[in-house]
Amino acid sequence: DAGVTQSPTHLIKTRGQQVTLRCSPKSGHDTVSWYQQALGQGPQFIFQYYEEEERQRGNFPDRFSGHQFPNYSSELNVNALLLGDSALYLCASELYGEAFFGQGTRLTVV
Amino acid sequence: AQTVTQSQPEMSVQEAETVTLSCTYDTSESDYYLFWYKQPPSRQMILVIRQEAYKQQNATENRFSVNFQKAAKSFSLKISDSQLGDAAMYFCAYHYGGSQGNLIFGKGTKLSVKP
Repeated sequence: DAGVTQSPTHLIKTRGQQVTLRCSPKSGHDTVSWYQQALGQGPQFIFQYYEEEERQRGNFPDRFSGHQFPNYSSELNVNALLLGDSALYLCASELYGEAFFGQGTRLTVV
Repeated sequence: AQTVTQSQPEMSVQEAETVTLSCTYDTSESDYYLFWYKQPPSRQMILVIRQEAYKQQNATENRFSVNFQKAAKSFSLKISDSQLGDAAMYFCAYHYGGSQGNLIFGKGTKLSVKP
């Protein structure tokens, strides 16, 4: 079992650009959540996908959007990047309330 | 709104000694889960221990145990026989809403282990 995999591991983007991050969940997990972890902070919930639909959402603007595919993999899209979007983005796949995390994507906006 | 508070930004422990990390939370729910996650420099969040709120017995996983005080809304992590590999950020997290819930994290405690 490969666990939760995220790509890319690091990314540098310019303000105003758009970015797409990818996540493959643990085998058999159908729920994927995305978290943003700013430097020195705990992760903050962005949104959760289940059966290809956004099931719940945290306090993030509409610039943050996502998608889940039939194989349960997921994408996080961020439009009109701001310097404040620089963070570690974590994907978690869940089963019975237990979350398994990937290694994250470090996004730097310059 | 649910919140999780970790009041110790940094802690230090001597190798082989015992250390306790504190966590308090606020919720009006009666059924929920609490977790401790470890985040080493590799960045990956690793589940250390899990506690179901309906269980009175404190969870234990090898050298890791919790002191769950539901009425006080307190959930501390005790690490016994500390090892160099225990050095990491530790996050306390709360989960509500059953299968549709999401995790709410504290700000973390950085644990250093001295040889």
